[in-house]
Amino acid sequence: QVQLVESGGGVVQPGRSLRLSCAASGFTFSSYGMHWVRQAPGKGLEWVAVMSYDGSNKYYADSVKGRFTISRDNSKNTLYLQMNSLRAEDTAVYFCAKGALVFITIYYFDYWGQGTLVTVSS
Amino acid sequence: DIQMTQSPSTLSASVGDRVTITCRASQSISNWLAWYQQKPGKAPKLLIYKASSLESGVPSRFSGSGSGTEFTLTISSLQPDDSATYYCQQYNNYSRTFGQGTKVEVK
Repeated sequence: QVQLVESGGGVVQPGRSLRLSCAASGFTFSSYGMHWVRQAPGKGLEWVAVMSYDGSNKYYADSVKGRFTISRDNSKNTLYLQMNSLRAEDTAVYFCAKGALVFITIYYFDYWGQGTLVTVSS
Repeated sequence: DIQMTQSPSTLSASVGDRVTITCRASQSISNWLAWYQQKPGKAPKLLIYKASSLESGVPSRFSGSGSGTEFTLTISSLQPDDSATYYCQQYNNYSRTFGQGTKVEVK
Protein backbone atom coordinates (compact mmCIF):
# COMPACT_ATOMS: atom_id res chain seq x y z
CA GLN A 1 0.00 0.00 0.00
CA VAL A 2 1.07 3.60 -0.58
CA GLN A 3 3.01 5.12 2.30
CA LEU A 4 4.45 8.61 2.63
CA VAL A 5 6.51 9.31 5.73
CA GLU A 6 7.77 12.83 6.42
CA SER A 7 10.69 13.63 8.67
CA GLY A 8 13.03 16.47 9.52
CA GLY A 9 10.68 18.82 11.33
CA GLY A 10 11.58 20.54 14.57
CA VAL A 11 12.14 23.87 16.26
CA VAL A 12 14.37 26.33 14.41
CA GLN A 13 15.24 29.98 14.91
CA PRO A 14 14.10 32.65 12.45
CA GLY A 15 16.49 33.04 9.57
CA ARG A 16 17.85 29.51 9.87
CA SER A 17 17.39 26.52 7.57
CA LEU A 18 15.78 23.11 7.73
CA ARG A 19 15.41 20.22 5.28
CA LEU A 20 12.37 18.01 5.24
CA SER A 21 12.27 14.53 3.73
CA CYS A 22 9.38 12.39 2.54
CA ALA A 23 10.08 8.67 2.11
CA ALA A 24 7.71 7.00 -0.33
CA SER A 25 6.81 3.36 -0.78
CA GLY A 26 4.10 1.19 -2.30
CA PHE A 27 4.07 2.82 -5.74
CA THR A 28 6.44 3.72 -8.58
CA PHE A 29 7.74 6.95 -7.11
CA SER A 30 9.56 7.99 -10.29
CA SER A 31 6.28 8.14 -12.24
CA TYR A 32 4.38 10.71 -10.15
CA GLY A 33 4.50 14.39 -9.43
CA MET A 34 5.00 15.07 -5.74
CA HIS A 35 3.92 18.00 -3.62
CA TRP A 36 4.43 19.74 -0.31
CA VAL A 37 1.40 21.23 1.44
CA ARG A 38 1.44 22.97 4.81
CA GLN A 39 -1.05 23.81 7.52
CA ALA A 40 -0.38 26.46 10.15
CA PRO A 41 -1.76 25.68 13.61
CA GLY A 42 -5.54 25.98 13.56
CA LYS A 43 -5.54 27.16 9.94
CA GLY A 44 -6.37 25.78 6.51
CA LEU A 45 -4.29 24.01 3.90
CA GLU A 46 -1.74 25.88 1.79
CA TRP A 47 -0.07 24.32 -1.22
CA VAL A 48 3.69 24.98 -1.09
CA ALA A 49 5.50 23.35 -4.00
CA VAL A 50 5.42 20.62 -6.63
CA MET A 51 8.05 18.73 -8.56
CA SER A 52 7.30 16.75 -11.70
CA TYR A 53 7.92 13.03 -11.84
CA ASP A 54 11.34 13.40 -13.46
CA GLY A 55 12.42 16.57 -11.67
CA SER A 56 12.32 18.66 -14.83
CA ASN A 57 9.64 21.05 -13.58
CA LYS A 58 9.04 22.64 -10.22
CA TYR A 59 6.63 25.32 -9.05
CA TYR A 60 6.28 27.24 -5.81
CA ALA A 61 3.72 29.26 -3.93
CA ASP A 62 4.57 32.96 -3.91
CA SER A 63 4.91 32.84 -0.13
CA VAL A 64 7.97 30.56 -0.33
CA LYS A 65 9.46 31.38 -3.73
CA GLY A 66 13.17 32.17 -3.47
CA ARG A 67 13.45 30.65 0.03
CA PHE A 68 12.31 27.03 -0.38
CA THR A 69 13.64 24.44 -2.84
CA ILE A 70 11.88 21.21 -3.70
CA SER A 71 13.92 18.26 -4.96
CA ARG A 72 13.67 14.51 -5.30
CA ASP A 73 15.92 11.47 -5.52
CA ASN A 74 14.09 8.84 -7.55
CA SER A 75 16.78 6.25 -6.75
CA LYS A 76 15.92 6.65 -3.06
CA ASN A 77 12.15 7.18 -3.48
CA THR A 78 12.48 10.36 -1.48
CA LEU A 79 11.15 13.91 -1.82
CA TYR A 80 12.84 16.85 -0.12
CA LEU A 81 12.04 20.40 0.86
CA GLN A 82 14.98 22.66 1.66
CA MET A 83 13.69 25.62 3.66
CA ASN A 84 15.97 28.64 4.05
CA SER A 85 15.49 32.05 5.67
CA LEU A 86 12.69 30.66 7.80
CA ARG A 87 10.12 33.01 9.27
CA ALA A 88 7.63 32.70 12.11
CA GLU A 89 4.83 32.47 9.54
CA ASP A 90 6.39 29.28 8.13
CA THR A 91 5.40 27.50 11.34
CA ALA A 92 3.14 24.66 10.22
CA VAL A 93 2.67 20.96 9.76
CA TYR A 94 4.22 20.07 6.41
CA PHE A 95 2.61 17.25 4.43
CA CYS A 96 3.94 15.56 1.35
CA ALA A 97 1.30 14.44 -1.11
CA LYS A 98 1.28 12.27 -4.21
CA GLY A 99 -0.18 13.39 -7.50
CA ALA A 100 -2.93 11.08 -8.67
CA LEU A 101 -1.98 10.52 -12.30
CA VAL A 102 1.22 9.16 -13.78
CA PHE A 103 3.50 11.69 -15.45
CA ILE A 104 1.04 14.53 -14.87
CA THR A 105 2.21 17.39 -12.63
CA ILE A 106 -1.02 19.37 -12.45
CA TYR A 107 -3.52 17.05 -10.77
CA TYR A 108 -5.19 16.37 -7.45
CA PHE A 109 -3.61 14.43 -4.55
CA ASP A 110 -4.65 10.86 -3.82
CA TYR A 111 -2.34 10.10 -0.88
CA TRP A 112 -0.90 12.22 1.89
CA GLY A 113 1.69 11.63 4.57
CA GLN A 114 0.94 12.26 8.23
CA GLY A 115 3.00 15.43 8.30
CA THR A 116 5.96 16.83 10.21
CA LEU A 117 5.76 19.92 12.42
CA VAL A 118 8.08 22.85 11.79
CA THR A 119 8.18 25.53 14.46
CA VAL A 120 10.06 28.74 13.75
CA SER A 121 10.71 30.55 17.00
CA SER A 122 13.52 32.27 18.84
CA ASP B 1 -3.87 33.23 -8.65
CA ILE B 2 -7.24 31.52 -8.60
CA GLN B 3 -9.08 32.16 -5.32
CA MET B 4 -11.38 29.52 -3.85
CA THR B 5 -14.14 30.58 -1.47
CA GLN B 6 -16.11 28.07 0.57
CA SER B 7 -19.38 28.59 2.40
CA PRO B 8 -20.40 28.23 5.08
CA SER B 9 -17.30 28.31 7.27
CA THR B 10 -19.00 26.14 9.86
CA LEU B 11 -22.21 24.20 10.01
CA SER B 12 -23.97 22.09 12.57
CA ALA B 13 -26.47 19.43 11.55
CA SER B 14 -28.10 16.33 12.90
CA VAL B 15 -27.55 12.71 12.02
CA GLY B 16 -29.49 11.92 8.87
CA ASP B 17 -29.59 15.51 7.60
CA ARG B 18 -28.67 16.44 4.05
CA VAL B 19 -25.71 18.81 4.07
CA THR B 20 -24.38 20.97 1.25
CA ILE B 21 -21.09 22.88 1.09
CA THR B 22 -20.40 25.38 -1.67
CA CYS B 23 -17.09 26.27 -3.26
CA ARG B 24 -16.68 29.16 -5.68
CA ALA B 25 -13.67 29.82 -7.91
CA SER B 26 -12.57 33.33 -8.88
CA GLN B 27 -12.33 32.19 -12.51
CA SER B 28 -13.43 29.17 -14.47
CA ILE B 29 -11.63 25.96 -13.58
CA SER B 30 -13.78 23.67 -15.78
CA ASN B 31 -14.24 20.58 -13.59
CA TRP B 32 -10.72 20.51 -12.14
CA LEU B 33 -11.88 20.41 -8.55
CA ALA B 34 -11.29 18.02 -5.67
CA TRP B 35 -12.80 17.71 -2.20
CA TYR B 36 -10.92 16.49 0.88
CA GLN B 37 -12.00 15.58 4.39
CA GLN B 38 -9.69 16.27 7.32
CA LYS B 39 -10.15 15.15 10.90
CA PRO B 40 -8.17 16.75 13.76
CA GLY B 41 -4.54 15.68 13.85
CA LYS B 42 -4.87 13.67 10.65
CA ALA B 43 -3.89 14.11 7.02
CA PRO B 44 -6.58 15.12 4.54
CA LYS B 45 -8.39 12.33 2.73
CA LEU B 46 -9.54 12.54 -0.88
CA LEU B 47 -13.31 12.28 -1.32
CA ILE B 48 -14.15 13.62 -4.77
CA TYR B 49 -12.09 14.46 -7.87
CA LYS B 50 -12.93 16.01 -11.21
CA ALA B 51 -15.81 17.76 -9.43
CA SER B 52 -18.11 14.73 -9.29
CA SER B 53 -16.08 11.51 -9.35
CA LEU B 54 -16.20 9.55 -6.10
CA GLU B 55 -12.85 8.23 -4.92
CA SER B 56 -12.74 4.47 -4.42
CA GLY B 57 -13.76 3.42 -0.92
CA VAL B 58 -15.59 6.67 -0.11
CA PRO B 59 -19.18 6.16 1.05
CA SER B 60 -21.81 6.87 -1.58
CA ARG B 61 -23.53 9.43 0.67
CA PHE B 62 -20.84 11.85 -0.51
CA SER B 63 -21.36 13.45 -3.91
CA GLY B 64 -20.01 16.42 -5.82
CA SER B 65 -21.36 18.57 -8.60
CA GLY B 66 -20.66 21.73 -10.54
CA SER B 67 -18.41 23.13 -13.22
CA GLY B 68 -16.89 26.43 -14.19
CA THR B 69 -16.87 28.52 -11.03
CA GLU B 70 -19.47 26.99 -8.73
CA PHE B 71 -19.29 23.60 -7.05
CA THR B 72 -21.02 21.72 -4.26
CA LEU B 73 -20.22 18.84 -1.96
CA THR B 74 -23.29 17.07 -0.64
CA ILE B 75 -23.58 14.57 2.18
CA SER B 76 -26.95 12.94 1.63
CA SER B 77 -27.42 11.54 5.14
CA LEU B 78 -25.00 12.90 7.71
CA GLN B 79 -23.30 10.34 9.95
CA PRO B 80 -21.39 10.84 13.21
CA ASP B 81 -18.14 9.89 11.46
CA ASP B 82 -18.58 12.81 9.05
CA SER B 83 -17.61 15.32 11.72
CA ALA B 84 -14.57 16.95 10.10
CA THR B 85 -13.34 19.92 8.11
CA TYR B 86 -13.88 19.80 4.36
CA TYR B 87 -11.70 21.55 1.79
CA CYS B 88 -12.13 22.14 -1.91
CA GLN B 89 -9.05 22.45 -4.12
CA GLN B 90 -8.64 23.58 -7.70
CA TYR B 91 -6.06 21.94 -9.93
CA ASN B 92 -6.63 23.95 -13.06
CA ASN B 93 -3.12 25.36 -12.87
CA TYR B 94 0.10 24.63 -11.04
CA SER B 95 -0.88 26.71 -8.01
CA ARG B 96 -3.22 24.25 -6.36
CA THR B 97 -5.22 26.61 -4.16
CA PHE B 98 -7.54 25.39 -1.45
CA GLY B 99 -10.72 26.85 -0.07
CA GLN B 100 -10.54 28.03 3.53
CA GLY B 101 -12.42 24.99 4.80
CA THR B 102 -15.86 24.17 6.18
CA LYS B 103 -16.09 22.64 9.63
CA VAL B 104 -18.99 20.24 9.95
CA GLU B 105 -20.29 19.39 13.39
CA VAL B 106 -22.67 16.52 13.90
CA LYS B 107 -25.15 17.24 16.68
